Amino acid sequence: AQSVAQPEDQVNVAEGNPLTVKCTYSVSGNPYLFWYVQYPNRGLQFLLKYITGDNLVKGSYGFEAEFNKSQTSFHLKKPSALVSDSALYFCAVRDRGSQGNLIFGKGTKLSVKP
Amino acid sequence: DTAVSQTPKYLVTQMGNDKSIKCEQNLGHDTMYWYKQDSKKFLKIMFSYNNKELIINETVPNRFSPKSPDKAHLNLHINSLELGDSAVYFCASSQDGQGREAFFGQGTRLTVV
Repeated sequence: AQSVAQPEDQVNVAEGNPLTVKCTYSVSGNPYLFWYVQYPNRGLQFLLKYITGDNLVKGSYGFEAEFNKSQTSFHLKKPSALVSDSALYFCAVRDRGSQGNLIFGKGTKLSVKP
Repeated sequence: DTAVSQTPKYLVTQMGNDKSIKCEQNLGHDTMYWYKQDSKKFLKIMFSYNNKELIINETVPNRFSPKSPDKAHLNLHINSLELGDSAVYFCASSQDGQGREAFFGQGTRLTVV
């Protein structure tokens, strides 16, 4: 079965510093991986995805993610964090069965302090 | 234009009542979903429809019944509401294809009192 793990409940970063939000996955076959962000009282917004090709994927708001097949990881990164990046971040994998719903990790709360 | 819209945004109701949440997408997508986000922010799939046909029906009480009148709409009807049904319910849609991202509505916060 497909699954996603986000080992950190919360990540704290100072504004201007680089940030990393970790994600590891377990899939059979090639993975389709996604990152979403949820701001308070809002829906989920798509940030980026990995389907195939270049291991470094660039997405919205300056975020990028690095796919590492050997480590089965898909960590979200940003070179310089902003206070406005503070939100809940979800990693997800596409379920290959049953029309492919998204299976989400538990979420990581990112807190960026001035 | 809102891509995936849900109504209502907030819903407070008493135990035992029946309520519905409506969802519409204007993206022309073939697949629509209902997800439940609990108080710990865990997101879990409830239902998935493809071209008005039920594809996924996870372990959800049969008090929950999705209805898809056309492929742009997926409504969720809940009978005999219980305290444990309190959560945020998200509608989403995607185009067919494994690599396609899903687009989410803003959520409906259901509170059962």
